[in-house]
Amino acid sequence: LAKTTQPISMDSYEGQEVNITCSHNNIATNDYITWYQQFPSQGPRFIIQGYKTKVTNEVASLFIPADRKSSTLSLPRVSLSDTAVYYCLVGDSARGSTLGRLYFGRGTQLTVWP
Amino acid sequence: GAVVSQHPSRVICKSGTSVKIECRSLDFQATTMFWYRQFPKKSLMLMATSNEGSKATYEQGVEKDKFLINHASLTLSTLTVTSAHPEDSSFYICSARDLDATKETQYFGPGTRLLVL
Repeated sequence: LAKTTQPISMDSYEGQEVNITCSHNNIATNDYITWYQQFPSQGPRFIIQGYKTKVTNEVASLFIPADRKSSTLSLPRVSLSDTAVYYCLVGDSARGSTLGRLYFGRGTQLTVWP
Repeated sequence: GAVVSQHPSRVICKSGTSVKIECRSLDFQATTMFWYRQFPKKSLMLMATSNEGSKATYEQGVEKDKFLINHASLTLSTLTVTSAHPEDSSFYICSARDLDATKETQYFGPGTRLLVL
C-alpha cells in the first residue's frame, strides 16, 4: 500500500489560498488519491478524490502531475472554519476491488488565523 | 454525500464490561464497512474490515476476540469491545464503502468516544 508524506502543520490567514502537497512515490496503477478533512472529535469528511490531472469541486481543487507521485490539495480563500487536520490517502479504490482499505498517515494540521 | 451514523456517540463503562457500538449507512447499502480507532492527537488506525455475511478481516496486531465485529445486514455493522479496560479508551470511527458511487468513496461516521473507568 502506498505510503504518503505530508507536512505536519501549516498556517495561513483568512482569505488566502492554501496548498497542501502530499508525496506518494509508490502509488500503484489502481490507486486513487483521496483527501479527507477532520475536525476534533469528529469522523473524517470526504473532500475530493482524483486519479490524474486536475479535479475541482465546490470546496477544493486537486492537482495531480502526470507521474502521480504527488498531489496538491488547493483550498481557495480559507476561513477560520477550515482549521482542521487534512489527510491524503492513496488506496486501491477500483470498482470491484476486495480491498478498499485506507491507511491514514499523520495528516496536516492546518491552522487559519484571523 | 452519503450519511453514516454511529451509536452511541459516547459511552462510559466500567472495566471488565463489554460495549457495543453500531455503525449504520443511512441512505446506501454497504457490503463493506471499516472500523478505526483514534487516540488523542494521533491519526486513525484501521482495525478491521467488516464484510456483510462473512467474517471480519482484522489488521495485524488487532485481537479478534477482543473486538468482535458483526455485519448482519447491508446497512449495519457492530463493534463489540469485550472485557474493556482503560487502555481501550479511545475514539472509535467506522466508515462505509459506497459501491454504487461512480467513484469509490468511503464515508465516515461521526465517531464514538469510549471511556473505560
